[in-house]
Amino acid sequence: GESVGLHLPTLSVQEGDNSIINCAYSNSASDYFIWYKQESGKGPQFIIDIRSNMDKRQGQRVTVLLNKTVKHLSLQIAATQPGDSAVYFCAENGSNYKLTFGKGTLLTVNP
Amino acid sequence: EAGVTQSPTHLIKTRGQQATLRCSPISGHTSVYWYQQALGLGLQFLLWYDEGEERNRGNFPPRFSGRQFPNYSSELNVNALELEDSALYLCASSLAGLAGLYNEQFFGPGTRLTVL
Repeated sequence: GESVGLHLPTLSVQEGDNSIINCAYSNSASDYFIWYKQESGKGPQFIIDIRSNMDKRQGQRVTVLLNKTVKHLSLQIAATQPGDSAVYFCAENGSNYKLTFGKGTLLTVNP
Repeated sequence: EAGVTQSPTHLIKTRGQQATLRCSPISGHTSVYWYQQALGLGLQFLLWYDEGEERNRGNFPPRFSGRQFPNYSSELNVNALELEDSALYLCASSLAGLAGLYNEQFFGPGTRLTVL
């Protein structure tokens, strides 16, 4: 069946360091992946997406890498800031036009 | 431009009761999605409405239902509430149609449902 999972449930980094959040997916037919950020008390916020015909996409301070061979997705945040502290979810478009979300990784940025 | 809005913010019900949650999408968005976020779990897809029609539903029992109105706002109804229905219910909206699969989903702040 479809599943999206995360390797690390929590990640603690120092302010200014780079952060890497990983995600594994199992549906080889998925062709669209998204990273969301959810701050406490708020709904998820879109960060960046990537289609399966790409292996890398960059945004402002964020980069998503897609390795279809091993079905792995990662989110890199450069120069992590306290405002980046949140839960990060990866999601994939599974079958039947619905998004399947992972459980999330809690990123804590220490000043 | 206003974002996705949801009401109420919090809802407390007892077992067996019914709950109605409401969502207003971003202006111009015709697709509305509902997700359940239980404590410690990721978002679980519930329902997708587009142009007033239910397009897809997740693995939830029939007592979870909803509808989309002509103005594209949506309701989620949960009948015969059970304790495990306690969760944050999130609504998202996006631009239209099946092609909207690749359109960004914008989320509302959610409705916190507590079942006692």
